[in-house]
Amino acid sequence: QVQLQESGPGLVKPSETLSLTCTVSGASITSFYWTWVRQAPGKGLEYIGYINYGGYTNYNPSLRSRATISIDPSKNQFSLKLRSVTAADTALFYCARVDSVLIKGNYFFYGMDVWGRGTTVTVSS
Amino acid sequence: ETVMTQSPVTLSMSPGERATFSCRASQSVVTKLAWYQQKPGQAPRLLIYGASTRVTGVPARFSGSGSGTEFTLTISSLQSEDFAVYYCQQYNDWPRGVTFGQGTKLEIK
Repeated sequence: QVQLQESGPGLVKPSETLSLTCTVSGASITSFYWTWVRQAPGKGLEYIGYINYGGYTNYNPSLRSRATISIDPSKNQFSLKLRSVTAADTALFYCARVDSVLIKGNYFFYGMDVWGRGTTVTVSS
Repeated sequence: ETVMTQSPVTLSMSPGERATFSCRASQSVVTKLAWYQQKPGQAPRLLIYGASTRVTGVPARFSGSGSGTEFTLTISSLQSEDFAVYYCQQYNDWPRGVTFGQGTKLEIK
């Protein structure tokens, strides 16, 4: 059974860097794609970005200048750093697995099929 | 960027009724659309991808349809456990990312 667990500080000061880690168990992180999604209080889901096993990343254009996602296969973890945070970055952050494959040059996407429980990050001084 | 718009914002229904959720894309996403369910205090759950393919374990009362810019999620006979928020997600841009709709809350009437 695949499980994801987010971890990191629950409180970050404005202008500092938010750092979260997602630990994957029950599956190798060298397969699949891995994503971060956030949800501001009372709001909907916002895609942050993803990383694949080759280290290729993609980011939401609105966050591209501040977000970095990295992967550590030795620990079966991937991480998110979000720089220069403000109160608007206060949210519940989820990590999730993306079921996607590349076959003969074509990408096939089957959804974000396994999610962590989420971790709340508050930006406040 | 493809913008996804869901309607209505809130749907008030009774158990046993048929619920219909709409999702509209600002440009064609073919059938590259997924639906997720999120219950209070829980992570989202993938229900459907490819506009109409149910994920293993999702009850048959959930069905998806549509193509291009107009999509529908239908729950044929509402059960108590179905009351939640439902999100659509387009992935036509994949691997250049995805976008979510703003969600529709299904509440008990």
